Formats: sequence, C-alpha cells, structure tokens
Amino acid sequence: SQQGEEDPQALSIQEGENATMNCSYKTSINNLQWYRQNSGRGLVHLILIRSNEREKHSGRLRVTLDTSKKSSSLLITASRAADTASYFCAPNSGYSTLTFGKGTMLLVSP
Amino acid sequence: GAVVSQHPSWVICKSGTSVKIECRSLDFQATTMFWYRQFPKQSLMLMATSNEGSKATYEQGVEKDKFLINHASLTLSTLTVTSAHPEDSSFYICSAARGPSVNQETQYFGPGTRLLVL
Repeated sequence: SQQGEEDPQALSIQEGENATMNCSYKTSINNLQWYRQNSGRGLVHLILIRSNEREKHSGRLRVTLDTSKKSSSLLITASRAADTASYFCAPNSGYSTLTFGKGTMLLVSP
Repeated sequence: GAVVSQHPSWVICKSGTSVKIECRSLDFQATTMFWYRQFPKQSLMLMATSNEGSKATYEQGVEKDKFLINHASLTLSTLTVTSAHPEDSSFYICSAARGPSVNQETQYFGPGTRLLVL
C-alpha cells in the first residue's frame, strides 16, 4: 500500500469560509479515500473517488482527483466549528491495507 | 449501516499485565479487520491485518507474540497486548472491511481504545 501526503499540515479558518486540503501520492491507484478524525476518536469515512472519476460531491464536500498529477483535493464549503478535525487521504492501489499520512489539522473558529 | 464498535473505550493497567481489546462489526460481516495504533499527534500506523479464520499478517516491526490477534468470527476480532509496558500506551483503533483482501474499498473504523499502562 502507499501513503498519501496531505498538505497543508494545519489550516485555521473562520466559520463560513471554505477549507481546501490537498493530497499527493506516488503510484497509480484504483481509488482514493478521504477520512476525518475528531480528536481522540476513530476515523470516519467521508468519500471515495475512483480513478476514472474527476470530481465527486457529498453534501458540503467536494473532492477532485487528477491522476496525471497524482493528486487529490478536498474542499469543505461553508465550514462549521464541528468540522474541526484532522483529515487524511488514503490512496488505494487495490491492496487490502490503507496507509495514512500525517493528515491536515483543520481548525474552524466560530 | 456499517458500524464498528470497540470495547473498552478506555483502559488503565499496571505494567506487566495483559489487556484485551475487542472490535465488533455490528451490522455487517467483516471478512477483514485491521488494527492500528496512533501515538499523540501522529498518524495511524497499521499493526496487522486479520482475515476471519486465519492467522493475522503483521506489519514490519510489530511483535506478533506481544500483540496477539484473534479473528474468530466474521463480526469479532480481538487484540491482546501481552505483558504491557508504559511504551505500549497508545490509542488503538480497529477497522473492518466487508470484502476479502484485494480490492476492498472502504474500511469502517471503530471509535478507538485508549490504553494507559502505568
């Protein structure tokens, strides 16, 4: 399995603003997944985008995938304080295991 | 659907004792379960992958005799930390996947178990 690298490491915004975080990976993938982890809790699966998809939406989340650049982005629109969490991407090359990077810590201030 | 529970959520034990952590898939059958460990302000590190009815596959550097994994049924996997030491204090998270090894897509994560070894 390969590890995604999230950028930035930390992001601080005000409620109502949009938050964008990026993920880069090294080898070809079957799909890429984004997860959220609230402090001291397990991960929550947010969205999966397949290698033949370029964009996917889920509520206030928008994920893009550029396989030519081996990168993905997660956009959270109209952020809320409850969105404060760490966000991880997991590029999946078809193996059973997922490897997580250090994530992006998002802080949304009221 | 796809809820994974862990028990206990918190455990404090003395050095040298063994601790068992349970991971259950509540509303689906989990062919594959994964155990992760997360130290403060660090990412999750995969410890091992277990398939129901077979031996777990451990990641490099993880002692299989210290971290015993049993995946006895399609809804339950247990992780036993044997002879725990303070350096084993960590946040242990399990996840479960419906499918078998290759091409499984989504893992569902438990809420984690925080272990503190005194």
